[in-house]
Amino acid sequence: GAGVSQSPRYKVAKRGQDVALRCDPISGHVSLFWYQQALGQGPEFLTYFQNEAQLDKSGLPSDRFFAERPEGSVSTLKIQRTQQEDSAVYLCASSTRAGGSYEQYFGPGTRLTVT
Amino acid sequence: AQSVAQPEDQVNVAEGNPLTVKCTYSVSGNPYLFWYVQYPNRGLQFLLKYITGDNLVKGSYGFEAEFNKSQTSFHLKKPSALVSDSALYFCVAWRNRDDKIIFGKGTRLHILP
Repeated sequence: GAGVSQSPRYKVAKRGQDVALRCDPISGHVSLFWYQQALGQGPEFLTYFQNEAQLDKSGLPSDRFFAERPEGSVSTLKIQRTQQEDSAVYLCASSTRAGGSYEQYFGPGTRLTVT
Repeated sequence: AQSVAQPEDQVNVAEGNPLTVKCTYSVSGNPYLFWYVQYPNRGLQFLLKYITGDNLVKGSYGFEAEFNKSQTSFHLKKPSALVSDSALYFCVAWRNRDDKIIFGKGTRLHILP
């Protein structure tokens, strides 16, 4: 079956622009996670949804970052007024059950470059 | 601070030899521990997971991991490496008390033919 997909795969934004990154999780998966992966580093947690509820947004680095999952399936991560330090790969993952203790299925990521 | 350490940025192993990718953790409580693998241009894939019980956990593609509570380690192992095992490997801890996920920075494994 289809895995987790993300779009766009690559995004170049000028500093100050807003961007929106999309994640299509595996159908029926309850949990959805966003991570930020800087070059040469492991993924860092950004936010977590259980169905449509955003239960944890403690990893969002600033109020310029906003995520939503209005119908409990597709999710969008929005970054307003992008800065160079936002350049990273943004990973989305989904899981069949609630919480972070279960196997996660990752998308290929969106590489964001802010110039 | 809570952390997962992968002390080697890169590990080189000859094909057919045993491999070990090291991981130590500093996470409170009794965390669940995972290994994920990332192949080029593909998403991270789950390899195996330790919750409790037997200290040797078996996973996908012939990999296994050994949990050692006293050393707070969770090393990934395989008895005989394949060239196709070349990839980036991440050790991950899940902290029960607040449902937090902590990744190591990754170890690049090169299997030499």
